Amino acid sequence: EVQLVESGGGLVQPGGSLRLSCVASGFTFSNYEMNWVRQAPGKGLEWVAHVSGNRNNLDYHADSVRGRFTISRDNSKNSVFLQMNSLRVEDTAFYYCVRDLLFVGNAWDYWGRGTLVTVSS
Amino acid sequence: QSVLTQTPSSSGTPGQRVTISCSGTTANIGSQPVSWYQQFPGAAPKLLIHSDDQRPSGVPDRISGSKSGTSAYLAISGLQSEDEADYYCSSWDESLSGHVFGTGSKVTVL
Repeated sequence: EVQLVESGGGLVQPGGSLRLSCVASGFTFSNYEMNWVRQAPGKGLEWVAHVSGNRNNLDYHADSVRGRFTISRDNSKNSVFLQMNSLRVEDTAFYYCVRDLLFVGNAWDYWGRGTLVTVSS
Repeated sequence: QSVLTQTPSSSGTPGQRVTISCSGTTANIGSQPVSWYQQFPGAAPKLLIHSDDQRPSGVPDRISGSKSGTSAYLAISGLQSEDEADYYCSSWDESLSGHVFGTGSKVTVL
């Protein structure tokens, strides 16, 4: 069974940092591209970042987080990470770890349950 | 701020058909594949449609996707109470070099 389990969320002050982790199981992790998608409470979905699979480890980020957030992965630990620096109040959201549908563009077939990040003073 | 604009809400009685629209531009829907997601309160989204009109295994065939020009559509026929949820479209935007979501649509079963 495919599972994605996020951790690392919590309360942080504006300007602070947080590192989210996602541990994957139930599939060959290195074969899949991975993403972070967030959702502010009561609001819509927003894609945050993407990291490719084992072939080239390319990554890209949404304009709203570029330069502040960094996605990375460790295939030996079946894990994907999101380092979040210079956090803002508007970064408050549930952060979902999401798996790309294999060989298909712009589709995500498995989502974690999410971890809540609250940025507040 | 969402790049794709969706019908805010749709409703119907059990058995009816409802259609949700997702409007974009030539930089996204007009040239890139569209996917659709269903989300219940307090839960993670679920993939319903990918590549404009393809259903993953396990998604009933009363749910269908289509695309015309710069708009995409999700249709739910034989509406059931379990379809009451929020629905989101998504595509890749070439000008933003990023994935974009729609504003979301709430489907209510009367």
